[in-house]
Amino acid sequence: AQKVTQAQTEISVVEKEDVTLDCVYETRDTTYYLFWYKQPPSGELVFLIRRNSFDEQNEISGRYSWNFQKSTSSFNFTITASQVVDSAVYFCALSEAYSGAGSYQLTFGKGTKLSVIP
Amino acid sequence: NAGVTQTPKFQVLKTGQSMTLQCAQDMNHNSMYWYRQDPGMGLRLIYYSASEGTTDKGEVPNGYNVSRLNKREFSLRLESAAPSQTSVYFCASSEGDTIRDEQYFGPGTRLTVT
Repeated sequence: AQKVTQAQTEISVVEKEDVTLDCVYETRDTTYYLFWYKQPPSGELVFLIRRNSFDEQNEISGRYSWNFQKSTSSFNFTITASQVVDSAVYFCALSEAYSGAGSYQLTFGKGTKLSVIP
Repeated sequence: NAGVTQTPKFQVLKTGQSMTLQCAQDMNHNSMYWYRQDPGMGLRLIYYSASEGTTDKGEVPNGYNVSRLNKREFSLRLESAAPSQTSVYFCASSEGDTIRDEQYFGPGTRLTVT
């Protein structure tokens, strides 16, 4: 079973529409962190946000917002009023204390490719 | 600050050839990582170095070796390249190796093995 599932492989929206990217995770740890990264067409991954397992407050940063719900093991990412520059692949990732390969490993989902059409 | 730099950006190898991918960071980070990214697979950890002088295997270490040359540099070596190693390789670094540390990525190396 995947530890981080991003069920949406590709999404297309028209500019100015809102879009939500889903992320569902699986862990037995009580302490863990969740991350979102953006990979624009240029290829380099850019860190967007980190959230720890004890903080379920929603986060808003400009047009970006994140909804963390432990009850459903989800950490969803919403872009409001999407723009063409938001076109990228977005990765959700989980960091646990013990993940099998060594003492620390960041486990990535397979990514969601977002295309914003002008 | 350049952040994380990787060389080369592109490389084509023939099966059986060897090469070393170079990575350097100027953020004084303790931990460094090598990932590979394949279509539809996300990023998978090859090796990591929690601190200078230590290296550990990740999820997909077979066919690779690493060297943490100093605090700044972490290289990845393919001794005998195989077509299955065609991929985009990313180096990353983080301040520490705790579960809260976000990682910063380099621009990637696109490797093709024919």
